Amino acid sequence: GESVGLHLPTLSVQEGDNSIINCAYSNSASDYFIWYKQESGKGPQFIIDIRSNMDKRQGQRVTVLLNKTVKHLSLQIAATQPGDSAVYFCAENKGAGGTSYGKLTFGQGTILTVHP
Amino acid sequence: GAGVSQSPRYKVAKRGQDVALRCDPISGHVSLFWYQQALGQGPEFLTYFQNEAQLDKSGLPSDRFFAERPEGSVSTLKIQRTQQEDSAVYLCASSLGQYSVGTEAFFGQGTRLTVV
Repeated sequence: GESVGLHLPTLSVQEGDNSIINCAYSNSASDYFIWYKQESGKGPQFIIDIRSNMDKRQGQRVTVLLNKTVKHLSLQIAATQPGDSAVYFCAENKGAGGTSYGKLTFGQGTILTVHP
Repeated sequence: GAGVSQSPRYKVAKRGQDVALRCDPISGHVSLFWYQQALGQGPEFLTYFQNEAQLDKSGLPSDRFFAERPEGSVSTLKIQRTQQEDSAVYLCASSLGQYSVGTEAFFGQGTRLTVV
């Protein structure tokens, strides 16, 4: 069936490095994608989102890239800090806005560990 | 508090026992979601409420799972005759509008259910 998945289950980086977390999706009908950060014992926290009519969106220290041709999503974190250590999930929504009510399909997750 | 509140934070149930998990959404939020998160996995959609109406329960794994939101505010997820495979973190999320996703969806910290 269609799903959202991640290439790398774990990623270790040094403080100050840039991090890239990847995600592949297979549902071509999805038109809205979100990255969440989840720390141990907490619920997912919104990081950044992107609609399918865009290929790049920047936030504070984070950038999301969307390549619809190969159905690939990535999250770039600049100057990674120890506080960025968490599990990162990509999620997709089919038909965001309009008649969609926000039901999300999540990927498996990538564990990011930042070493001081 | 201003966030989504879930209780209890932890629940240990003997196999066959019934459990009830509570979610207090952000005041005034129309949409409420329940997700199930198995260890090492991303959250999976269970059910969606718009005010008191349960518009989508397609993710409930069996008829042992039942959710309600009788007054359009607090929601309860009930699991009857719990089984070991029900062990997971149950997440609740709420959003202000009926067609909201991404920045407007806030997750609670979850209830970790362990069935022994």
